[in-house]
Amino acid sequence: DQQVKQNSPSLSVQEGRISILNCDYTNSMFDYFLWYKKYPAEGPTFLISISSIKDKNEDGRFTVFLNKSAKHLSLHIVPSQPGDSAVYFCAADEYDTDKLIFGTGTRLQVFP
Amino acid sequence: NAGVMQNPRHLVRRRGQEARLRCSPMKGHSHVYWYRQLPEEGLKFMVYLQKENIIDESGMPKERFSAEFPKEGPSILRIQQVVRGDSAAYFCASSPRQGLRDTEAFFGQGTRLTVV
Repeated sequence: DQQVKQNSPSLSVQEGRISILNCDYTNSMFDYFLWYKKYPAEGPTFLISISSIKDKNEDGRFTVFLNKSAKHLSLHIVPSQPGDSAVYFCAADEYDTDKLIFGTGTRLQVFP
Repeated sequence: NAGVMQNPRHLVRRRGQEARLRCSPMKGHSHVYWYRQLPEEGLKFMVYLQKENIIDESGMPKERFSAEFPKEGPSILRIQQVVRGDSAAYFCASSPRQGLRDTEAFFGQGTRLTVV
């Protein structure tokens, strides 16, 4: 059973526009969420995170929104840049467990 | 992150052989996590180790897979008698504290295992 879902396998956005990547989860015990960026043949790189006690966290061009009632989070990238082209993974963590649960990823392509 | 070193980067094994994957955590990190990514899937937790101890191996297949993190040296993920289905990218992550919520936790570049 997939507890963390990224239903869009790919997204294509023009440079300068907003990229919105979505993630849904089913486990109400998750209390912390992370976004990772991954380039081909490299490991995931931490991007931004949010605790379940918040509904928004911002870091430069990246903002994560959390809607607990809908069990939904999204990553906004504004403005999008060609260097943002990568696979983005959403991950969730449950308090006092030792493992992150990852989604299947969304491939973002930012074109000029 | 270049600080977590995994080797080899690529490993080819014939069915039935053994695969040994190594992970050297960042300096000062005593917590190591192994994840596996099958083609077109997300990363899946395998095992969490602290120095000399396996803390959580709930994601490890019951047979053929083992992991260790000795007092000296890298963490080793060992797969015996590999099968085609073991072909995947294996990532390790290290952290100075329990959990990967820590902003000082990093993933390595992974080992891509191909079983032929």
